[in-house]
Amino acid sequence: DTGVSQNPRHKITKRGQNVTFRCDPISEHNRLYWYRQTLGQGPEFLTYFQNEAQLEKSRLLSDRFSAERPKGSFSTLEIQRTEQGDSAMYLCASSLSVSYNEQFFGPGTRLTVL
Amino acid sequence: GIQVEQSPPDLILQEGANSTLRCNFSDSVNNLQWFHQNPWGQLINLFYIPSGTKQNGRLSATTVATERYSLLYISSSQTTDSGVYFCAVVYNFNKFYFGSGTKLNVKP
Repeated sequence: DTGVSQNPRHKITKRGQNVTFRCDPISEHNRLYWYRQTLGQGPEFLTYFQNEAQLEKSRLLSDRFSAERPKGSFSTLEIQRTEQGDSAMYLCASSLSVSYNEQFFGPGTRLTVL
Repeated sequence: GIQVEQSPPDLILQEGANSTLRCNFSDSVNNLQWFHQNPWGQLINLFYIPSGTKQNGRLSATTVATERYSLLYISSSQTTDSGVYFCAVVYNFNKFYFGSGTKLNVKP
């Protein structure tokens, strides 16, 4: 399968715990994006990388959130001290380049904070 | 940022009917995509269509960039077409801005 993959698919955690999600983009895609989707809403942008450089972060990304893409391939999104409001679907997407930026999405990680 | 509005928010169709979904956006865009979100949350790419018209089977899309709107046509709808349809635009060559979606329910 050469699509975008995300792990885990589901995560249930208790408030205050830390969680980490992983995204593997399509091979050779140099842009990688993270979005968050809550029930009944469209996805909202969190952050994106061009290769290993994090180029933009949304105001939604509080200081409890951190994302990395250390070698320009896979990316991780960590949430520290989770809150119930963090419960959402976290989506990852990748695109080939700036000039041809069709985005392809992974299946998402559904986070539930109890 | 840019505003993306989709209409209608909800649509109920009888199987076999045709429909048109609309996406309006408030500024010039570099990219526009239509997605179908399945019940498991996966966003399926339908069209990459910053301008012009494309067709894929029973689906087609038209984007008129100068007038800042895009239309998604579904013909001869099937129950498997049910789900949420999102329009998303890229502004300033970076992130997507999504509309709030059209929830389609096709009844047998």
